[in-house]
This record gives sequence, structure tokens and C-alpha cells, in this order.
Amino acid sequence: EAGVVQSPRYKIIEKKQPVAFWCNPISGHNTLYWYLQNLGQGPELLIRYENEEAVDDSQLPKDRFSAERLKGVDSTLKIQPAELGDSAVYLCASSLVTGSNEQFFGPGTRLTVL
Amino acid sequence: GEDVEQSLFLSVREGDSSVINCTYTDSSSTYLYWYKQEPGAGLQLLTYIFSNMDMKQDQRLTVLLNKKDKHLSLRIADTQTGDSAIYFCAESIAGNKLVFGAGTILRVKS
Repeated sequence: EAGVVQSPRYKIIEKKQPVAFWCNPISGHNTLYWYLQNLGQGPELLIRYENEEAVDDSQLPKDRFSAERLKGVDSTLKIQPAELGDSAVYLCASSLVTGSNEQFFGPGTRLTVL
Repeated sequence: GEDVEQSLFLSVREGDSSVINCTYTDSSSTYLYWYKQEPGAGLQLLTYIFSNMDMKQDQRLTVLLNKKDKHLSLRIADTQTGDSAIYFCAESIAGNKLVFGAGTILRVKS
């Protein structure tokens, strides 16, 4: 069974440029998460989708960040414009709606903003 | 608010047991998790424990939960060099949100 797929794995951009990350969850997983992981820290939730609905986006900086999951399967996270402080790893995870809420993570996209 | 704390670093010799500790603040957490992250990789779920349990064993892994003290530990028996990684503790709170600690770096010396 394929795991969570993310692309690109690495991205280097200059500040003020836009950037987009893509995630394809495990087949059949209706819940999708985007996390931000700064160096030396644990992941922090940016947004959670159940199917195509964003049910928790309270931590998403909406002035520059946006996300979509139009058909309830794959998802895109965008930053426009990027700032130096956005340099981090962006992780995608997915899960089934079960009591234990086991979340399965992709390898992440490492973003460097110059 | 929610907060999960872990010690930053643990060094053990190959073959010894490793014990990684974690404290959390949200008493309503239903599940607590241990994840492993190797360099350049995403997080791999190792094990989890339901809040009404006080111990769970899975092969070389033993999870102990002290709900009164809000303390969680992960014991790795017969630690191997392949266990070297960052280990994250996480608690599940309302709405299926996971709150992670900053991670404990485990270094295994051969």
C-alpha cells in the first residue's frame, strides 16, 4: 500500500515569491492534515480537512497561506508571498476517522526561503 | 493550554534499554502517541496508548502512562543503532488535534 506522497521534496525560492506543495493521502483516508515543522521542534498543525471541508484552520496564517482539497482526495498548500521565516519542513498526514486517530505522515517538503 | 514536554537528548549503548520521558498538560487527552523521525524523513507512528490504560507492550517497546501525573514514557529494550532517531510524544485533544513535544534525540553508541 502506498503511503502519503508529497512533492516536491525540496524547494528553494527567494522571498516574496509564491510556492505550492502537493500531498496525496493514503487511499481511502478521509482526513488530511498539513503540519509545519521548524528545526528542532515538533510538528504544529496548520489545517485539517475532513473530506473536502476544512474543519480546523485556526493556526493557518490566512494573510499569506491558503490550502485546498477540492475533491476530498489530494491537497495543495500555497504560500504567497513567502517570507524568510517560512523556511521549514511542511508535512502532510492522513488518517481514517477512527477512535485512535492514527495519523500517517508523508516525507515532507523542505522549504528554504532566501 | 496544551503543552507537551520532553527531554532533548538521550545517549545509550547498544544493547541497553532506553527510556524516553514525556509530560503533557491536557487531562482530557484520549490517546497518547510515540512517533519516530529519522533524518530527512516524515514521522513514523511507533505505538499509542489509550488513556484508560497504564501500560502497553509491543515487541521491544513498552509504553507506561501515569495519568495522575500526566507522564508518559517509552522504553526500548535491547536498543540498536537503527533506533537512533528523534522520538516525539504527542497527545490527542478535542477534534482529533495532535499536539507534539519538541522531540528527544536518541543516540545509540556501538
